[in-house]
Amino acid sequence: AQSVTQPDIHITVSEGASLELRCNYSYGATPYLFWYVQSPGQGLQLLLKYFSGDTLVQGIKGFEAEFKRSQSSFNLRKPSVHWSDAAEYFCAVGSFTGGGNKLTFGTGTQLKVEL
Amino acid sequence: DAMVIQNPRYQVTQFGKPVTLSCSQTLNHNVMYWYQQKSSQAPKLLFHYYDKDFNNEADTPDNFQSRRPNTSFCFLDIRSPGLGDAAMYLCATSRSGGLSSYNEQFFGPGTRLTVL
Repeated sequence: AQSVTQPDIHITVSEGASLELRCNYSYGATPYLFWYVQSPGQGLQLLLKYFSGDTLVQGIKGFEAEFKRSQSSFNLRKPSVHWSDAAEYFCAVGSFTGGGNKLTFGTGTQLKVEL
Repeated sequence: DAMVIQNPRYQVTQFGKPVTLSCSQTLNHNVMYWYQQKSSQAPKLLFHYYDKDFNNEADTPDNFQSRRPNTSFCFLDIRSPGLGDAAMYLCATSRSGGLSSYNEQFFGPGTRLTVL
């Protein structure tokens, strides 16, 4: 069965500093990987996705992620964090089920940005 | 704009009193999903509809049911809510996909359910 591990529950960075959120996945086939962001009380917004091809993917809000098959990782990065980036970030792996697609999420990383 | 809408955004119910949450979509996607997200936890898939075919996750309690009267609407029914059912309920949609085609899911804003 597929699984996702986000080893960092909480991360605090200063505004303007760089950011890397870690994600490791377990999946038997070619993984479909996602990063979502969730602000308090809100739904999930897709930041970026990896299906195939270039292992460095660009997303919205200046985020990027790199897929490393050898390390089973899909870490999210941003060169310079803004205070508005404070939120919870979920990594997810997609699989197929009953004609639809299933997302298995990690437990999330809560990002705090210090001004 | 095409979107996924959930109503209400906040729902309060009493212990054991049936409650229904609503989801509608203008994306014309044939798959609709319901996720449960408890406080400080990851979203967890409860079930999904592929067109009219209902697909239940193995560990979804019987207390949770769903209806999809047409392509645009899907309902989550909780027959006898317990305190442990308090959570954010997220609806999502996607086009159907096969092994060679994974289609991303689009999420609604969620309904936060409180059980008193």
